[in-house]
Amino acid sequence: EAGVAQSPRYKIIEKRQSVAFWCNPISGHATLYWYQQILGQGPKLLIQFQNNGVVDDSQLPKDRFSAERLKGVDSTLKIQPAKLEDSAVYLCASSLGAGGPYEQYFGPGTRLTVT
Amino acid sequence: AQSVAQPEDQVNVAEGNPLTVKCTYSVSGNPYLFWYVQYPNRGLQFLLKYITGDNLVKGSYGFEAEFNKSQTSFHLKKPSALVSDSALYFCAVRFRGMDSNYQLIWGAGTKLIIKP
Repeated sequence: EAGVAQSPRYKIIEKRQSVAFWCNPISGHATLYWYQQILGQGPKLLIQFQNNGVVDDSQLPKDRFSAERLKGVDSTLKIQPAKLEDSAVYLCASSLGAGGPYEQYFGPGTRLTVT
Repeated sequence: AQSVAQPEDQVNVAEGNPLTVKCTYSVSGNPYLFWYVQYPNRGLQFLLKYITGDNLVKGSYGFEAEFNKSQTSFHLKKPSALVSDSALYFCAVRFRGMDSNYQLIWGAGTKLIIKP
């Protein structure tokens, strides 16, 4: 079974530029998550999709971050314009369902450096 | 307020000794409890979970965790540590919120260092 795929693995941009990350979840997983992880800290949920609908985006900085999951499979996360404090690892995860005992499976992450 | 605590930022253990990484929580209802591990420069990996039933849960790589309802704890354990167990460990708790939707709270993580 293929895992969660993410690209790119690394990205360096200047502040005020834009950047996009891509995620392909495990086949059959209805729920997709985007997390931001600052070095040495726990993951912070940015947005959660159930199929192609948004379940939770309460911590997404909507003035600069956007995400979509067209057709309920792949997802993209965009930052425009980027700020220095956006430097972090962006993790995508998927699970069979949104609630209950379902564990999440994570991709390798995208390390973003904003200079 | 709902919370998850990993009281130790770092745990140091000699190889071959037993290890324990602590997790306590304060949430409403009967939560589902998870442990994840993050090796350097890699994404998080699921280790094990508690749903219901037996308080001792076995997971990947020889790890197990003990659920204690009265102490609201879910400590991660391994009888004999390996140097390769050195990593960052996260406890996570899923519970049903006031709006009946499930929420997931992550602990801050514990760095486990196994010394040869």
